[in-house]
Amino acid sequence: DTGVSQNPRHKITKRGQNVTFRCDPISEHNRLYWYRQTLGQGPEFLTYFQNEAQLEKSRLLSDRFSAERPKGSFSTLEIQRTEQGDSAMYLCASSLGAERQFFGPGTRLTVL
Amino acid sequence: AQTVTQSQPEMSVQEAETVTLSCTYDTSESDYYLFWYKQPPSRQMILVIRQEAYKQQNATENRFSVNFQKAAKSFSLKISDSQLGDAAMYFCASDNAGNMLTFGGGTRLMVKP
Repeated sequence: DTGVSQNPRHKITKRGQNVTFRCDPISEHNRLYWYRQTLGQGPEFLTYFQNEAQLEKSRLLSDRFSAERPKGSFSTLEIQRTEQGDSAMYLCASSLGAERQFFGPGTRLTVL
Repeated sequence: AQTVTQSQPEMSVQEAETVTLSCTYDTSESDYYLFWYKQPPSRQMILVIRQEAYKQQNATENRFSVNFQKAAKSFSLKISDSQLGDAAMYFCASDNAGNMLTFGGGTRLMVKP
């Protein structure tokens, strides 16, 4: 299967710790998106890349959040000094240009 | 800024029957796309159907069709011949030229055998 993959699938951490998630997009897709989904809600946009360039960031992406996409391939999303309010599903999606976005299975973060 | 509203938190349909999920949106963009995504429990989001705003013809994908009313900013999803596998969360979403998706709050669809 050559779909979007995300690792880890689940992460439990203590408040104040740093966490990093990885997303591997579909190989030929040049755009990569990060969304956050809390329980019972629709996903909310965080940021997106075109190739290696981060083109847009949501106001939801506080200074504790950073995302990278070195070489325009996989991407990482790091959350520093995690808070309980960071508990959510973090979804990654990729697309070829402005075409439809394909979503990964998500990483569920629980902050204790 | 775009907003998407789904006014039905939950819907229920009998197997083989038809159900319609509602969605309204607001955007200042002239060129945009509208989507319905399905998210089964503990499974990833998949695209059900896509509508380009400049097209007047309603999109159709097998048992799934939309009723796109541009002036009213309404975009409902009709599921015909409902199947047990259709049970999921359904999200309406809009995007402006592929930069990001704005999602509604979702509608949980239950299918009764």
